[in-house]
Amino acid sequence: SYVLTQPPSVSVAPGKTARITCGGNNIGSKSVHWYQQKPGQAPVLVIYYDSDRPSGIPERFSGSNSGNTATLTISRVEAGDEADYYCQVWDSSSDHPRVFGGGTKLTVL
Amino acid sequence: EVQLVESGGGLVQPGGSLRLSCAASGFTFSSYDMHWVRQATGKGLEWVSAIGTAGDTYYPGSVKGRFTISRENAKNSLYLQMNSLRAGDTAVYYCARSESIAAPLSPWGQGTLVTVSS
Repeated sequence: SYVLTQPPSVSVAPGKTARITCGGNNIGSKSVHWYQQKPGQAPVLVIYYDSDRPSGIPERFSGSNSGNTATLTISRVEAGDEADYYCQVWDSSSDHPRVFGGGTKLTVL
Repeated sequence: EVQLVESGGGLVQPGGSLRLSCAASGFTFSSYDMHWVRQATGKGLEWVSAIGTAGDTYYPGSVKGRFTISRENAKNSLYLQMNSLRAGDTAVYYCARSESIAAPLSPWGQGTLVTVSS
């Protein structure tokens, strides 16, 4: 089945830019969605179809996808952005089509 | 307000069965595809099943033949029948909505905990 690889952790100082990557074979040919999960809470969609932002999600959140890497970028990071972030794709050729990355813990220093 | 509320979790012995429910409100339930996603404590997200508006169902190999997803549009409810449960099925189970089977999941319910242990 299709594999998505995320770094286990990313650390960033407040006000700086955080970039969380999601690697997969030719992931640029797929649509990538990103979810934010804070401790004890359900996941929340923050980016969909590579770079679209749901209503209510700050413009500081953006996404890109090309080649073998998709990236979630969080600008002007705030303490409230500290959370786990998961990328996800749909691989129609797999017997496990809805695939999540392993997740990245974003720590705000 | 769109809301999804799961129930039915609990402690079950290995080999046992459990039926989860997800009550939907705030949207036209019959017009959306629905999903179950689970998360073991301290672990990542794992998609468990999906059901389309026409009742078509989808499962990963890890649960195929043991889990059955169903929906009752008249009651705005989603279900997950879990049989032959194993310790590895222990997790928080979330229900979530999507506009199509492959579309992103939003929103998610708050989850219900299933513990498989003797």
